[in-house]
Amino acid sequence: QKEVEQDPGPLSVPEGAIVSLNCTYSNSAFQYFMWYRQYSRKGPELLMYTYSSGNKEDGRFTAQVDKSSKYISLFIRDSQPSDSATYLCASVGGSNYKLTFGKGTLLTVNP
Amino acid sequence: KAGVTQTPRYLIKTRGQQVTLSCSPISGHRSVSWYQQTPGQGLQFLFEYFSETQRNKGNFPGRFSGRQFSNSRSEMNVSTLELGDSALYLCASSLANGPNYGYTFGSGTRLTVV
Repeated sequence: QKEVEQDPGPLSVPEGAIVSLNCTYSNSAFQYFMWYRQYSRKGPELLMYTYSSGNKEDGRFTAQVDKSSKYISLFIRDSQPSDSATYLCASVGGSNYKLTFGKGTLLTVNP
Repeated sequence: KAGVTQTPRYLIKTRGQQVTLSCSPISGHRSVSWYQQTPGQGLQFLFEYFSETQRNKGNFPGRFSGRQFSNSRSEMNVSTLELGDSALYLCASSLANGPNYGYTFGSGTRLTVV
């Protein structure tokens, strides 16, 4: 079992839709949780960063972490065509600082 | 403010050759990590350097090595290239010691082994 599991999609939604992206993880030592967005031919770009459980909101983006169920979510409100990209969840914790990534979900927002 | 710079952007090598990739972190960042990204395996951690010392290493064979210089710039080397080494190699830098500072990625070096 991979430490971070993510549905690869692809996910296709109309412009303006609410998008829900999800990951699960198995390592109880994970304390930091991140969402990255990766456009084609680019490196991942940090979108959201959360420590431990709870919600964090930034504009149209909301990240949620539920450590009791080991569940990580990213919600995108009023999705735009420019949100079309691959979204990667990642976790860090324990005695080392390596990022463990999910495989990514390819999102397409159709105008 | 300049981001993380990786050179070269694209590289084509032949099986059995070796390759060196370069990463210049954001000014002031002392931690540099390397990742391999492939369609099948996604992003996988290679190694991390902080103040010229390798702190963590992923599950890759010894053909993969790296180093960090006193100015925080880092290089990774892959010897005896195999077809399966074809991937996007990404470098990420962080301000200091620990994940609470976040990681900024470069655009990567796309390596093709033929």
